[in-house]
This record gives sequence, structure tokens and C-alpha cells, in this order.
Amino acid sequence: NAGVTQTPKFRVLKTGQSMTLLCAQDMNHEYMYWYRQDPGMGLRLIHYSVGEGTTAKGEVPDGYNVSRLKKQNFLLGLESAAPSQTSVYFCASSRTGNTEAFFGQGTSPTVV
Amino acid sequence: AQSVTQLDSHVSVSEGTPVLLRCNYSSSYSPSLFWYVQHPNKGLQLLLKYTSAATLVKGINGFEAEFKKSETSFHLTKPSAHMSDAAEYFCVVSASLNTGFQKLVFGTGTRLLVSP
Repeated sequence: NAGVTQTPKFRVLKTGQSMTLLCAQDMNHEYMYWYRQDPGMGLRLIHYSVGEGTTAKGEVPDGYNVSRLKKQNFLLGLESAAPSQTSVYFCASSRTGNTEAFFGQGTSPTVV
Repeated sequence: AQSVTQLDSHVSVSEGTPVLLRCNYSSSYSPSLFWYVQHPNKGLQLLLKYTSAATLVKGINGFEAEFKKSETSFHLTKPSAHMSDAAEYFCVVSASLNTGFQKLVFGTGTRLLVSP
């Protein structure tokens, strides 16, 4: 049972480079989310999607773009990476907005 | 707006003693509430959820939580801590968005430390 899979797991990139994080879920969930986790701040919502072809901004969307071209995939892009974007990124999916969310294992890009 | 406050950033217990992790929520309607656990360098795993059924909710690994509307609380408890319970715990509430949809709002987390 794959659940939610994030790739890559780790990456080091230079300031100004671009990077795409891929999230794939095999549970046919409508909702998908990208969060970032920073020490002492819990998880903060970057962007989310309520279905194929839709995206919306969360709490901290600046510097990120997303796409949901297929229901099972949700891509997060860092167009011009900044050191402030060094974080742990979690993707999640859920059947609806107030049902259980299933999380991936996290991706840890480091921007130098 | 819906929000959740975890009252302790760190809780330390000895193995075999009870665990209490406190969570208060704010919601303008009857919310869905969740507790998630995150072990070091791992993703988040659902412990339990409340969705307007029984107010006492039992979860995995012996954890349970009680929904108290009058106190707007959803505290997590376990009768006897194990070393393997050492982790970070997140209280989560569902929240309405301006678009009419709902999303999950996370507390800032409580780190549980278990000593032998």
C-alpha cells in the first residue's frame, strides 16, 4: 500500500535555482495539500487543491507554485529558491476537507 | 476563524506513568478534531479523530481523547507511557475557508519525552 509518496526525499540547491517536488497518492482522494514544517511553528499550509485542475493558496504561498493536472498528482514548485525555503515539506491527501489526512514521508530541500 | 492551541511545547514523563497532552480549540461550529503523531524523521500518522459521534475517542497504541464542548478542549491521554511514545504530537481542527471548503489547521505541536 503506497498511500502518499513524495519525491525526491532530499535535495541541495543553490539560491535562485528551481525545483519541483512531486506528490502522488493512490487513494483516489479529492483533496491534496502541501505543508511546510519549521521548528516551533507546526505545519503551515502552502497551497491546496480540492480536485483535479484546481489549486488555491494557503497560509504561506509566496515563492511557491503548484499544479494538479492529474487527480493523483500534486506538484510544488520553487521557482527561484531562497534560503528561507529550507524546510521540511509534507504532502497530504484526504477524501474531503474534514476527514483524515494521509501524509507522505517528507522532502527536505536545503537552499544554500 | 477556527484555531487550535497546544498548551505545552514539551511534556516529560517517566515510563509507566500517565500522559496528558493538552489542546484547546476555537470553532464557530461543531468541528472535526484530530491528533497526529510524528516520530523523528518520519511523516505524520493519525492517532485518533473526533467527528461528532462519541465524545470519548479511542485511538491507536492505547491513546484516547475526550471532546469537551463546554471547555473547548480535546486533550490526549494515555494511562501508561512507553519509551516508544516519545515523539511530537499535533492537535488538528478542521476549518472553513472563504471558498466554502474546509481545511485542516495544525497546532504548533507538543514534544513528548519519556525517560526510563
